[in-house]
Amino acid sequence: AQSVTQPDIHITVSEGASLELRCNYSYGATPYLFWYVQSPGQGLQLLLKYFSGDTLVQGIKGFEAEFKRSQSSFNLRKPSVHWSDAAEYFCAVSGSARQLTFGSGTQLTVLP
Amino acid sequence: DADVTQTPRNRITKTGKRIMLECSQTKGHDRMYWYRQDPGLGLRLIYYSFDVKDINKGEISDGYSVSRQAQAKFSLSLESAIPNQTALYFCATSDEQGYTGELFFGEGSRLTVL
Repeated sequence: AQSVTQPDIHITVSEGASLELRCNYSYGATPYLFWYVQSPGQGLQLLLKYFSGDTLVQGIKGFEAEFKRSQSSFNLRKPSVHWSDAAEYFCAVSGSARQLTFGSGTQLTVLP
Repeated sequence: DADVTQTPRNRITKTGKRIMLECSQTKGHDRMYWYRQDPGLGLRLIYYSFDVKDINKGEISDGYSVSRQAQAKFSLSLESAIPNQTALYFCATSDEQGYTGELFFGEGSRLTVL
């Protein structure tokens, strides 16, 4: 069975600071990995995904994530956070059945 | 108009009542999903449908049923609502052709069961 752990429930950063959100997954083979963002009152939107190839993937809104097989991780990064990035972020994994399993989410607060 | 539309957006009901949440989409996708979101638990899959004749249970289907009336419509029913079904419910779609793993979500239906 596949699973995702997001160890940080809530992270607070100052505007302009760098950001890293952690994600660890469990799956027996090479997974498909995703990061979604949920703005207040909205559904989820795909930020980026990893299927194969280059382990550093670029997404929308200036986000990137790096797949590290040895650490079973897929951490999300942004070099300079904007106030509009305040939202909840979900990591997700999909295996051969192509069903997404979501992590519990990380709430990001951005201080002015 | 939104590509994935959920109705109602908010509903308060009482224990034992039957509730239906409706989802319609204009994306032309074959696959549709119902998820439930609870604080600290992320999103959990209730049911999914790969086409009109294909309905599958997800992780937490007990107490729920679904109907795929057409390619564009997928409804979630709570036959006898209970308080622990209070949650935010999301409908989503995906395109099987050239699987990208991207789900397209509605804006959610907030259900409160008293």
